[in-house]
Amino acid sequence: GQQLNQSPQSMFIQEGEDVSMNCTSSSIFNTWLWYKQDPGEGPVLLIALYKAGELTSNGRLTAQFGITRKDSFLNISASIPSDVGIYFCAGHRTSGTYKYIFGTGTRLKVLA
Amino acid sequence: GAGVSQSPSNKVTEKGKDVELRCDPISGHTALYWYRQSLGQGLEFLIYFQGNSAPDKSGLPSDRFSAERTGGSVSTLTIQRTQQEDSAVYLCASSLQTGVRETQYFGPGTRLLVL
Repeated sequence: GQQLNQSPQSMFIQEGEDVSMNCTSSSIFNTWLWYKQDPGEGPVLLIALYKAGELTSNGRLTAQFGITRKDSFLNISASIPSDVGIYFCAGHRTSGTYKYIFGTGTRLKVLA
Repeated sequence: GAGVSQSPSNKVTEKGKDVELRCDPISGHTALYWYRQSLGQGLEFLIYFQGNSAPDKSGLPSDRFSAERTGGSVSTLTIQRTQQEDSAVYLCASSLQTGVRETQYFGPGTRLLVL
């Protein structure tokens, strides 16, 4: 199935550092979601974006819906060890319904 | 409150055998989704159920895959004549209704290994 381009694939950072990851698509999306998946668990929704240009925060997390509607980014400020996990973006096309297309994930490891 | 539960949590089977994976959605959720997550990959949509409507099976990779949802609640994903490439984590999600702004709540997944 089709997947979104998500980068970086993985990253090691020091505790306290800020983290940035992004997701791009060749198609226009009308919804962007960001999920986090802990080991052995299912993904949990972090932030949902519904309008181009929208900037939404959830604690130390901030995500933006790109103006072109073909990209989104997620920032994590002042990372802590529990931020470790896999972060997925997911997009929903204008012509689609409930079928989200998922990115391949960014694996984040935080060094204390 | 209970979230989405899946069983078994892990399943090892031999190539050619059939397997059944179970999903118990959150009570009252009318929409149910199955996804497949292969190693190092994102989630791949498999099938979707909404109430009593006919399911959307467009994501099923082959006719060896089937799913049913009994009584609008519990769902079973069946893989017949398993192949090694079927090895993956199978995730189930449910949402209160269908809609762009309806949050999908995921279960912990069933890790399937086909030897």
